[in-house]
Amino acid sequence: VIWMTQSPSLLSASTGDRVTISCRMSQGISSYLAWYQQKPGKAPELLIYAASTLQSGVPSRFSGSGSGTDFTLTISCLQSEDFATYYCQQYYSFPWTFGQGTKVEIK
Amino acid sequence: EVQLLESGGGLVQPGGSLRLSCAASGFTFSSYAMSWVRQAPGKGLEWVSAISGSGGSTYYADSVKGRFTISRDNSKNTLYLQMNSLRAEDTAVYYCAKDPAYCSSTSCYPQYYFDYWGQGTLVTVSS
Repeated sequence: VIWMTQSPSLLSASTGDRVTISCRMSQGISSYLAWYQQKPGKAPELLIYAASTLQSGVPSRFSGSGSGTDFTLTISCLQSEDFATYYCQQYYSFPWTFGQGTKVEIK
Repeated sequence: EVQLLESGGGLVQPGGSLRLSCAASGFTFSSYAMSWVRQAPGKGLEWVSAISGSGGSTYYADSVKGRFTISRDNSKNTLYLQMNSLRAEDTAVYYCAKDPAYCSSTSCYPQYYFDYWGQGTLVTVSS
């Protein structure tokens, strides 16, 4: 099983801030990583796949980077609609696993 | 437009059974692997089970292996999750999720991340 450490678990930020979320793997996964956004009471939505490829329709202020064991999700200019919880997911090997989540809240 | 609509959740006693359904529309259902992902109240996401487009291959998390069975009826565009021997720790919102797949001219290959999700159905296991 590939273990994932996502940090921070809680991030307080203001509109307009640049924020970064980290996801670290217990072993290398090449670029088989996805990022999701989840708002309260809603299903997750795919933001990024293959570590850095933006899903169609996702604003360009979202970006992903990394390969191997260390990955980052960056929101370049936080908007009000971006306050949510973010999860990483590895799909390199079975069982597919998610990070613990990062809640981005208003400072 | 891709739509996934789960149903079948509810309150069940420990040791009981429940069958979840996910009605799919807006895409060629039989070409895509599908998964169930759950989320316990206030907790993170946990992948539960996956099935190939044909239904010939199935995968389970260790936490549900031997108790849950995933299946699909491609003629009805519907995904199922039969849950037996339910435990309190199975209490969660259950989402069905579509695999995006990579398709060549001849075949589609699952990717095992999830590009569309249903709205979820709540399963509560309690006496």
